[in-house]
Amino acid sequence: EAGVAQSPRYKIIEKRQSVAFWCNPISGHATLYWYQQILGQGPKLLIQFQNNGVVDDSQLPKDRFSAERLKGVDSTLKIQPAKLEDSAVYLCASSLEDGGPYEQYFGPGTRLTVT
Amino acid sequence: AQTVTQSQPEMSVQEAETVTLSCTYDTSESDYYLFWYKQPPSRQMILVIRQEAYKQQNATENRFSVNFQKAAKSFSLKISDSQLGDAAMYFCAYRRSGSEKLVFGKGTKLTVNP
Repeated sequence: EAGVAQSPRYKIIEKRQSVAFWCNPISGHATLYWYQQILGQGPKLLIQFQNNGVVDDSQLPKDRFSAERLKGVDSTLKIQPAKLEDSAVYLCASSLEDGGPYEQYFGPGTRLTVT
Repeated sequence: AQTVTQSQPEMSVQEAETVTLSCTYDTSESDYYLFWYKQPPSRQMILVIRQEAYKQQNATENRFSVNFQKAAKSFSLKISDSQLGDAAMYFCAYRRSGSEKLVFGKGTKLTVNP
């Protein structure tokens, strides 16, 4: 079974530029998550999708971050404009369903550096 | 709000020895799940072990076991017969029953010395 795929693996941009990350979850997984992991901290949930609907985006900085999951499969996370404090690893995860005791499977992450 | 605290930023252990990583959490919920995740350098995070709060028996997965003390809100991970491949960041995480949102601690970096 293929795991969660993410691209790019690394990205360096200047502040005020925009950037987009892509995630392809495990086939059949209805729930998709985006986490932000700042160096020295644990991952923090940014947004959770159930199929193509948003379940939780309470910690997403909506003035600069946006995310979508078209057709309930792939997802993109965008930052526009980026700030220095957005430097982090962005992790995508997926699980079978929402609300059940299902394991979340994580992708390798995208390491973003904002200069 | 739920919080997860890992008080040991770094730990080290000799190969083949045993090490225990600490985790405490704060919640007013009675039904929840606790997890330990492993994140090797530049590799993806994987689940090591999980514990349902309603179960009194401590979870075990091969060389990994937990000491779950619900009243004390403590959830420690014991790694027996440590191997070089166990070197990684270990994160403790909490999830309320009925929610998929994971709340992570800051992690403990484990070094295994040959």
